Amino acid sequence: DTGVSQNPRHKITKRGQNVTFRCDPISEHNRLYWYRQTLGQGPEFLTYFQNEAQLEKSRLLSDRFSAERPKGSFSTLEIQRTEQGDSAMYLCASSTASPYEQYFGPGTRLTVT
Amino acid sequence: DQQVKQNSPSLSVQEGRISILNCDYTNSMFDYFLWYKKYPAEGPTFLISISSIKDKNEDGRFTVFLNKSAKHLSLHIVPSQPGDSAVYFCAASGDPSGSRLTFGEGTQLTVNP
Repeated sequence: DTGVSQNPRHKITKRGQNVTFRCDPISEHNRLYWYRQTLGQGPEFLTYFQNEAQLEKSRLLSDRFSAERPKGSFSTLEIQRTEQGDSAMYLCASSTASPYEQYFGPGTRLTVT
Repeated sequence: DQQVKQNSPSLSVQEGRISILNCDYTNSMFDYFLWYKKYPAEGPTFLISISSIKDKNEDGRFTVFLNKSAKHLSLHIVPSQPGDSAVYFCAASGDPSGSRLTFGEGTQLTVNP
């Protein structure tokens, strides 16, 4: 049983650098989601793909953030010119066409110094 | 605006007793509700869900109750076990595409042996 995987698990970067995270969803899931979680809060929605199409973006996703899912399988989330406020856990989830039950990966913890 | 709220940051119960976790929401468009459990350094794990057409859903030791008129849901765990100790998140969905989940802040449950 292969769940959602995310790489890297941890990333430490200096302010101003670019970072890229990868998410591999459960193979039969056509929907893929990105969330961000900060300490003491629940996950906050960032963006959502159905197959390769990015269907929704939160206003939290500033123009420094970009997400892709080029072949409808894995996805990448890139943050350009990182800021200290970007420090958070970035979570990926996937689901089938029954959209509500999303299955999460372990997350990538980003620390911007 | 916090559309999903979990007012208790923490809850402590004795092993074998009932744990009751509460969640309130404000958006009347929400029509599907989920509970997730999260252990440290892991992503949230789906636990149980309920549609707004029901008022109760049960799965083993876990039961979710929905009171639409009060915009309130609760998760009951009976009997509680030490392995249930985790952060529990309430989440809701209701946009037409069923894409984004809106999470509460979480409640830390500690089950004491």
